[in-house]
Amino acid sequence: ETGVTQTPRHLVMGMTNKKSLKCEQHLGHNAMYWYKQSAKKPLELMFVYSLEERVENNSVPSRFSPECPNSSHLFLHLHTLQPEDSALYLCASSQKTVNYGYTFGSGTRLTVV
Amino acid sequence: GQQLNQSPQSMFIQEGEDVSMNCTSSSIFNTWLWYKQDPGEGPVLLIALYKAGELTSNGRLTAQFGITRKDSFLNISASIPSDVGIYFCAGLWESQGNLIFGKGTKLSVKP
Repeated sequence: ETGVTQTPRHLVMGMTNKKSLKCEQHLGHNAMYWYKQSAKKPLELMFVYSLEERVENNSVPSRFSPECPNSSHLFLHLHTLQPEDSALYLCASSQKTVNYGYTFGSGTRLTVV
Repeated sequence: GQQLNQSPQSMFIQEGEDVSMNCTSSSIFNTWLWYKQDPGEGPVLLIALYKAGELTSNGRLTAQFGITRKDSFLNISASIPSDVGIYFCAGLWESQGNLIFGKGTKLSVKP
C-alpha cells in the first residue's frame, strides 16, 4: 500500500459505456496526476491538478474528463472510448513545494472492447 | 521540451550478476529519482538524489547524480529473481515543475 489508492483495479468497458476511475490519497499532498501507460510506450502525462486546479492538460481527447473535487480525490471520467485507449491508468500525488517525487497508485487496467 | 534518454531499453541477465543502467539529458535537473515498476503495479520510488555528485545506496541498489547534473546511473548488485521489472529514471528541475520520465529499462533475471 503506497498511500495512493486506485479503484477499480481492472475495468472492461464497451465503447458506448460511461465509467469513472477513482484515485484517493491521504498523504497530505497538494498535487495529483493522471498518467496513461500503454504496452511498449513511455508513461504519458495526461492531467495535472495542483491545489485542486487543473494546471495541465496534455492534448488529451475530450472522451477523458478529469475531476478533482478536493485535494484527496481525483477522478477520470470515461465515455465513448476506443480500443486504443486500453492501457494501465496510473494516478500519482506529490507535494509541489518539495522534491520528494511522486507516489503512484497501483493503477487501473482498462480494456475497451 | 526536456527529454530523458534511458538505456538500455531491456536487459536479460543471470541471477547473481550486477546490473547497470543510466539516464542522460540535454537539460540539467536538480533532482534525479529512480523508480521500479513490478508487473501490473504502479512505479515505486527506490532512490532519490538531490545534489550533483551524490552517491546513494539502498540495499543492493546504488545510484549517482552526475556532476554535470545531466545524467544519473543505477547499479544493482548480485541480482535476484525479484529484481525483475521496469526501472524508470525521472528528473525534476524545480519543485513546482513536473517530473520528466525516461522510457524505462526492462530487467529480466534468469534463475
